[in-house]
Amino acid sequence: AQKITQTQPGMFVQEKEAVTLDCTYDTSDPSYGLFWYKQPSSGEMIFLIYQGSYDQQNATEGRYSLNFQKARKSANLVISASQLGDSAMYFCAMSLKWSNFGNEKLTFGTGTRLTIIP
Amino acid sequence: DGGITQSPKYLFRKEGQNVTLSCEQNLNHDAMYWYRQDPGQGLRLIYYSQIVNDFQKGDIAEGYSVSREKKESFPLTVTSAQKNPTAFYLCASSIPRGTGAYGYTFGSGTRLTVV
Repeated sequence: AQKITQTQPGMFVQEKEAVTLDCTYDTSDPSYGLFWYKQPSSGEMIFLIYQGSYDQQNATEGRYSLNFQKARKSANLVISASQLGDSAMYFCAMSLKWSNFGNEKLTFGTGTRLTIIP
Repeated sequence: DGGITQSPKYLFRKEGQNVTLSCEQNLNHDAMYWYRQDPGQGLRLIYYSQIVNDFQKGDIAEGYSVSREKKESFPLTVTSAQKNPTAFYLCASSIPRGTGAYGYTFGSGTRLTVV
C-alpha cells in the first residue's frame, strides 16, 4: 500500500537560513508524482513544487527545490533563505493513478510545522 | 478566474443532524475529491469521483455520502452516523497527468463543528 512519511512534526529555523523538510514514500507503482504543499493558518493549500517519478532532474520553483532520491524513496523539500512568511504547515503528498481515465489521487503525510525565528 | 468554491466557510451542526457541504468548480476538471483534516494532522481521503454519476469511497468514507449529478458540483453530506465530524473539510479537483497543467486545485475549506 502507498504511504507517505514525514518524521519531523515541528522545526524551528533562523530567518535567512536554509531548511530541509524530510519526506519518504512507499509504493510499488513505477509511475507516481510527488507534491509539496504549504498550509498557512488560514487553511488553504498552496502548491509549492511537483516531481514526477520519471523526471531526471530535481524540480525547482524559486526558493523551493525538491531533492528527489528515487532509490532511497525520498523527496525532501529544501527552502533556501527562509523568510518569516514561510512559517506554516508543510505537507508532502504522492499521487497514484486510480482510474483508466488517468486520474490520480493524493495521499498525504502528517505534515511538518515550520516556524521561522526572526 | 477559475477555481473551487466551498461553502459555507464555517458550519455548526447539532448532534444527530445531517449537513451538506458545497463544492463547486469552474475549471472543467473531471476528477473531484473530498478530504478531511483533523487538527495537527494530514489530509485523509473521504470520497473521490472521476466523472458524473460515478464516485468511489476513500479511506474514511463511513458516515459520509456524496453525489455527482453535474461535472461542476460534488457536495458532501455528513450524516448523523459520523460520530466525530468536527474537522476541516477540503474539496479538490484535478486533471490527468499529461493533459495540460497537471495538478490539484483546492478550495478554501469548510470548518465543521458539532455543538
